[in-house]
Amino acid sequence: QKEVEQNSGPLSVPEGAIASLNCTYSDRGSQSFFWYRQYSGKSPELIMSIYSNGDKEDGRFTAQLNKASQYVSLLIRDSQPSDSATYLCAVTLGNTGGFKTIFGAGTRLFVKA
Amino acid sequence: SQTIHQWPATLVQPVGSPLSLECTVEGTSNPNLYWYRQAAGRGLQLLFYSVGIGQISSEVPQNLSASRPQDRQFILSSKKLLLSDSGFYLCAWSVRREAPGNTIYFGEGSWLTVV
Repeated sequence: QKEVEQNSGPLSVPEGAIASLNCTYSDRGSQSFFWYRQYSGKSPELIMSIYSNGDKEDGRFTAQLNKASQYVSLLIRDSQPSDSATYLCAVTLGNTGGFKTIFGAGTRLFVKA
Repeated sequence: SQTIHQWPATLVQPVGSPLSLECTVEGTSNPNLYWYRQAAGRGLQLLFYSVGIGQISSEVPQNLSASRPQDRQFILSSKKLLLSDSGFYLCAWSVRREAPGNTIYFGEGSWLTVV
């Protein structure tokens, strides 16, 4: 089983719609969870971090964490063509003192104008 | 503010040649440092991480090595490159703290093509 799993997509949504991205992880001791956005040919940039169960909102982005189900999600409201990118879920493994962060393979999102 | 610099940005190397990628972080001290690799169309693979000078943890046994000669300097090396070493190499750093909260920040990346 992969440590961090994401649907590779592509996920295609119309402009203005809500995009929903999902991620599951295998290490129950994990405590830090992140979403990154990566444009083609560029390095990943942080969108959000979440550490506690529940929802965390930042502008058009909402991260959701459910540790019991080992599930993290990212909602993008009012999707824009500029949101078209690959979204990477990242998890810091629980037995490494916060030093080892593993990434999923990413979900490609296309927002159609 | 903290910044991370990585170089060279692009390089084309023949099979069997050596490699050296360098990364420095400014504006912080005692960072955790990381090297990741992203093959074409693939996810990020953690290669090495370091929690201090001379302290390197290897995640993938292969012909790559890493060194941390100074607190904010991280170097990725190879003595003989393989075709499979081609990819996008990313240096990254995080504040050294116990979880949760160790957000990783990436450099601009280095594109390596082995021919």
